[in-house]
Amino acid sequence: QVQLQESGPGLVKPSETLSLTCTVSGGSISGYYWSWIRRPPGRGLEWIGYIYYSGSTTYNPSLMSRVTISLDTSRNQFSLKLSSVTAADTAIYFCARDWWDLGTDYGLDVWGQGTSVSVSS
Amino acid sequence: SYELTQPLSVSVALGQTARITCGGQNIGRKNVHWYQQKPGQAPVLVIYRDSNRPSGIPERLSGSNSGNTATLTISRAQAGDEADYYCQVWDSSLWVFGGGTKVTVL
Repeated sequence: QVQLQESGPGLVKPSETLSLTCTVSGGSISGYYWSWIRRPPGRGLEWIGYIYYSGSTTYNPSLMSRVTISLDTSRNQFSLKLSSVTAADTAIYFCARDWWDLGTDYGLDVWGQGTSVSVSS
Repeated sequence: SYELTQPLSVSVALGQTARITCGGQNIGRKNVHWYQQKPGQAPVLVIYRDSNRPSGIPERLSGSNSGNTATLTISRAQAGDEADYYCQVWDSSLWVFGGGTKVTVL
């Protein structure tokens, strides 16, 4: 059974870069798309972007200029970097597995438990 | 950009039926997925591709999708159904979420 676990600092200073890692256990990172999603306090879910196991990425246009998602297949991990953070980036950050089959989308079927990140000096 | 509209809140009496709508232009032409998120927990996929339930999701949860509205129905509502519910579609190479609906069981 595939499990995901986010890790990284819970506090980031304004203007710095937020860095999180998602470790995939119980299965391989190969063959799938892997997403990052966040939920700011009092708000709904926001998709940040995803990475395919080949390394290709797609980002939410609203965050594209500040986001980088990368992959380390040897460690079965993928990572998120969000630069120039402000208080508006305070949120719970989730990693998740995209479920696709033959070009058809089935949603996000496996999620990490989430990690809380606050942006404050 | 594509937008999904959900009611902010829905209340349902214990044992009754709740319906959560998700509005979007021609959403009936897209695959709609639904998530349940309880406080302090990760979202859980409860309906995929409009009306399919992943393993372990009770039959009391069902979905439909037609025209400009997709609907998640919770039958015989239980206290454990209290949560935030989100619809989601894939559009223009992006995942789009609805704003979320808070379901309260009275």
